Amino acid sequence: SQQGEEDPQALSIQEGENATMNCSYKTSINNLQWYRQNSGRGLVHLILIRSNEREKHSGRLRVTLDTSKKSSSLLITASRAADTASYFCATDGEGAQKLVFGQGTRLTINP
Amino acid sequence: DAGVIQSPRHEVTEMGQEVTLRCKPISGHNSLFWYRQTMMRGLELLIYFNNNVPIDDSGMPEDRFSAKMPNASFSTLKIQPSEPRDSAVYFCASTTGNQPQHFGDGTRLSIL
Repeated sequence: SQQGEEDPQALSIQEGENATMNCSYKTSINNLQWYRQNSGRGLVHLILIRSNEREKHSGRLRVTLDTSKKSSSLLITASRAADTASYFCATDGEGAQKLVFGQGTRLTINP
Repeated sequence: DAGVIQSPRHEVTEMGQEVTLRCKPISGHNSLFWYRQTMMRGLELLIYFNNNVPIDDSGMPEDRFSAKMPNASFSTLKIQPSEPRDSAVYFCASTTGNQPQHFGDGTRLSIL
């Protein structure tokens, strides 16, 4: 399987804390994306990082990419209850349009 | 601005029946994707179209599955005959150029 793997599979933290999720993949990539999925809804794109970038920020999100280790991390700072969702990484190693999704991290923010 | 619209949202049917899932992509998007999501296998790409033409259907599990895109604003995914192992959430997504994919809210399919 070419699927990436997220770690941890589930994460539960208190509101206000930071949440870090990791993603590992197997093939060479041009870019890596992170998506969020709320319960019963479709995936929503959060951020894209290109293979020549090491770090990218968007609001409370910080993404890092280490192509030598084939891994990425997503940091959500100052978490809120509304951040409760599943988070997936997706890579384009099989082609620009053939995204391969990881199994996801289920994040729960406790009020 | 309407997003990707899928119908029905839920479908429950008996095995052996034909199932048709529908998708309306975002206007102006020229690429459309069908995914299947299960607990065991995660999110899998089934097939995708560019400009209404199927480009890669290598993810379609077997001949019981077929997908069409008769025009730029409509696509169907058909399962005939359906089996219990087809139970899953099916997502449609669309995009254009190098933009991120936009997903619909899915069809939750249960085959009894």
